[in-house]
Amino acid sequence: AQSVTQPDIHITVSEGASLELRCNYSYGATPYLFWYVQSPGQGLQLLLKYFSGDTLVQGIKGFEAEFKRSQSSFNLRKPSVHWSDAAEYFCAVGLPNFGNEKLTFGTGTRLTIIP
Amino acid sequence: DAGVIQSPRHEVTEMGQEVTLRCKPISGHDYLFWYRQTMMRGLELLIYFNNNVPIDDSGMPEDRFSAKMPNASFSTLKIQPSEPRDSAVYFCASSLGPYNEQFFGPGTRLTVL
Repeated sequence: AQSVTQPDIHITVSEGASLELRCNYSYGATPYLFWYVQSPGQGLQLLLKYFSGDTLVQGIKGFEAEFKRSQSSFNLRKPSVHWSDAAEYFCAVGLPNFGNEKLTFGTGTRLTIIP
Repeated sequence: DAGVIQSPRHEVTEMGQEVTLRCKPISGHDYLFWYRQTMMRGLELLIYFNNNVPIDDSGMPEDRFSAKMPNASFSTLKIQPSEPRDSAVYFCASSLGPYNEQFFGPGTRLTVL
């Protein structure tokens, strides 16, 4: 079945440490890929997206993500996290070649930052 | 622009009552999405509109749910009758295109007692 998976439900990182959040997809073709962030009590905000081209994508707030076709992955990274990065992070996919305009969201990874 | 506006922000109602959630998308955005978020099921797309026309309502859980978009600046999601299992945060989002950035509203937290 087609799906998007975020294997980590909850991750705790020390402030200043590096971060990598995992996202894997299971589709026959390369989908459009997105990362959104949700701060407590708020709606989601787009961090970055990948459609084609350079597989390393830069986003807002110092985040980047790398598309790896061989691993069907689109992991989100940040070299040094700040306390304000504590939030829930969602990977999402779209399938433009299937007449489907919807995004399918992963289950999310909650990020906790410790001092 | 004020962003996507949703009202009310919080709604507490009793089982069996009708609930109407409202959304004003960002001006000029052609796509409007309604999502539901719960701990158990995560973020689910309920329905989306393109140029005020409902395109896909396959995520609407049952006939008790209905959504309308009478014009480009207003949409409603109605639940009638409401049930406790409808308790969730409901988000409205809008975008210029299906794969452009979706701008989310602050959500409506619905509690059905």
